[in-house]
Amino acid sequence: EAQVTQNPRYLITVTGKKLTVTCSQNMNHEYMSWYRQDPGLGLRQIYYSMNVEVTDKGDVPEGYKVSRKEKRNFPLILESPSPNQTSLYFCASGSHRAHYGYTFGSGTRLTVV
Amino acid sequence: AQSVTQLGSHVSVSEGALVLLRCNYSSSVPPYLFWYVQYPNQGLQLLLKYTTGATLVKGINGFEAEFKKSETSFHLTKPSAHMSDAAEYFCAVAPDSGSARQLTFGSGTQLTVLP
Repeated sequence: EAQVTQNPRYLITVTGKKLTVTCSQNMNHEYMSWYRQDPGLGLRQIYYSMNVEVTDKGDVPEGYKVSRKEKRNFPLILESPSPNQTSLYFCASGSHRAHYGYTFGSGTRLTVV
Repeated sequence: AQSVTQLGSHVSVSEGALVLLRCNYSSSVPPYLFWYVQYPNQGLQLLLKYTTGATLVKGINGFEAEFKKSETSFHLTKPSAHMSDAAEYFCAVAPDSGSARQLTFGSGTQLTVLP
């Protein structure tokens, strides 16, 4: 089954404790992206990757890091999480052309206390 | 720069009634337009998309949307709401010459279906 898999689904952590949210896709997509979803703000792009070893900032990259060492994986790293990073996070993958649409993961609900 | 405006963050309809979710966009070039649906505790799922050709687009679960260039709109409709349609709906836009990076989402509309 074609899918984007995120782990974990739920995470509660404390301020300053480094964490990684994993994302993996099995569709051989070139493009992968991370979004955060907050009430009233829709989805805002954090980082994206057009291919292996190619990453770039989205609209809200502060406080996040990513890497793309393999085509299928695109982990999101929070080196020193803060409460304002409490949010619902989605990973997405797709063709590098936007009009094909994206496949989204099921989301990771992160709470930073 | 492109943007998307979804009118109404919450919409309630009775079961069997018409569903109308509004989306207006701004784009300096001809756009690709999308509607995504998010069911509770799930990721976003592509409902339908407009790229080129016929301006009335049919999607999954009986939804359709019409691209109206003169009104810069891409409203989502369904003739008869089902309880299972309760979800959050997102409109998104990308320039037709753009890369995937340039997909911009609206703020979402929460649809409630009343029995």
